[in-house]
Amino acid sequence: GENVEQHPSTLSVQEGDSAVIKCTYSDSASNYFPWYKQELGKRPQLIIDIRSNVGEKKDQRIAVTLNKTAKHFSLHITETQPEDSAVYFCAASMAGGTSYGKLTFGQGTILTVHP
Amino acid sequence: DADVTQTPRNRITKTGKRIMLECSQTKGHDRMYWYRQDPGLGLRLIYYSFDVKDINKGEISDGYSVSRQAQAKFSLSLESAIPNQTALYFCATSDLAGGMRETQYFGPGTRLLVL
Repeated sequence: GENVEQHPSTLSVQEGDSAVIKCTYSDSASNYFPWYKQELGKRPQLIIDIRSNVGEKKDQRIAVTLNKTAKHFSLHITETQPEDSAVYFCAASMAGGTSYGKLTFGQGTILTVHP
Repeated sequence: DADVTQTPRNRITKTGKRIMLECSQTKGHDRMYWYRQDPGLGLRLIYYSFDVKDINKGEISDGYSVSRQAQAKFSLSLESAIPNQTALYFCATSDLAGGMRETQYFGPGTRLLVL
């Protein structure tokens, strides 16, 4: 089955700096890559996603890039703010058959933004 | 508001006891999932169901069972709880209304402690 590796496990930045979280996946059949944010004590929520027919997607201060050849994708947060502090999870989904829609998550990255 | 709810929110039990965690949703989604979250291990899929008559094992189903009583209800049971099942458990739902975008909506989580 699919395996998703996420790095780093913890990331500490100063307010205003950029943050980058990277994930690799193992199955070339995966074609959907969402990112979820989990604030302390809260439930995970989708913040951005990308499909395999797109190389990059932006939404205000966050962006996701995908390299299908290398099987890795990254989350970029610019101009970080203290409210960006949270655990971030990447995930991958395999298309087709009974696995369609089933997400495999990475291990999570704890992002801390210092004021 | 359409939402995903979980009961109980916190539970302490003893080794060998049978317990049930319940999930209900008012989103009208067909797909429901159970995950457990452990520090450093991310979100791992226990079971998932794509409709009322469909039940599938995830990556860590041993020691767990599920029941899909209705479209809106999906229960997770621990037949004989053991301490390494101490974790935060999340229920999630999704549908294909958005086409290929498989956004998952998480419940608030159930924190389980097995003594």
